[in-house]
Amino acid sequence: GAVVSQHPSRVICKSGTSVKIECRSLDFQATTMFWYRQFPKQSLMLMATSNEGSKATYEQGVEKDKFLINHASLTLSTLTVTSAHPEDSSFYICSAKALGLAKASYNEQFFGPGTRLTVL
Amino acid sequence: QKEVEQNSGPLSVPEGAIASLNCTYSDRGSQSFFWYRQYSGKSPELIMFIYSNGDKEDGRFTAQLNKASQYVSLLIRDSQPSDSATYLCAFPDVQGAQKLVFGQGTRLTINP
Repeated sequence: GAVVSQHPSRVICKSGTSVKIECRSLDFQATTMFWYRQFPKQSLMLMATSNEGSKATYEQGVEKDKFLINHASLTLSTLTVTSAHPEDSSFYICSAKALGLAKASYNEQFFGPGTRLTVL
Repeated sequence: QKEVEQNSGPLSVPEGAIASLNCTYSDRGSQSFFWYRQYSGKSPELIMFIYSNGDKEDGRFTAQLNKASQYVSLLIRDSQPSDSATYLCAFPDVQGAQKLVFGQGTRLTINP
């Protein structure tokens, strides 16, 4: 239980194109999902908190018009990197908080496997 | 500003020994703490969570929490090469809030 998937796992695109990354909770409902970015040898950087049915809350310094987040259902959140540039190349990871999941401890987040984005 | 401090390492431990990872935090109100393990190129996975002072054991892993001194540690007994990874500690930003504050992680290498 508590499985989170991401698609695609790896994407290579040309500079200027947009890339959409999907994050799904497979066996539980997630009222809240989080999007992180991680550069090589660095820690996780929270980009935004996504709540089902409402606008995402972005962390300071993260451009909301560049990183579009949609959380249309309790099992799906998407991150769209618009007009991607080489500096956006990174490892993007989503996580989800479970709604009423008995095994989950307080505030536990379940992570997806990540999406490696390379912008040429 | 809530902060978590971890020694970034690398920490090298011989196989079979005990690996000790430490984390200090700034928010005295923090109630729960998490240890995540992250293999290179992979996403984090939860190893332990602890919310009471003292020790919590799960197999070869023991989490220790000292709220008075504001530190939490993770002990790995009988270290194996497969334990080589980066270990991240984390706690909720504000009690009852949603997001976790992560430390920068400690890179652990178990030497055969």
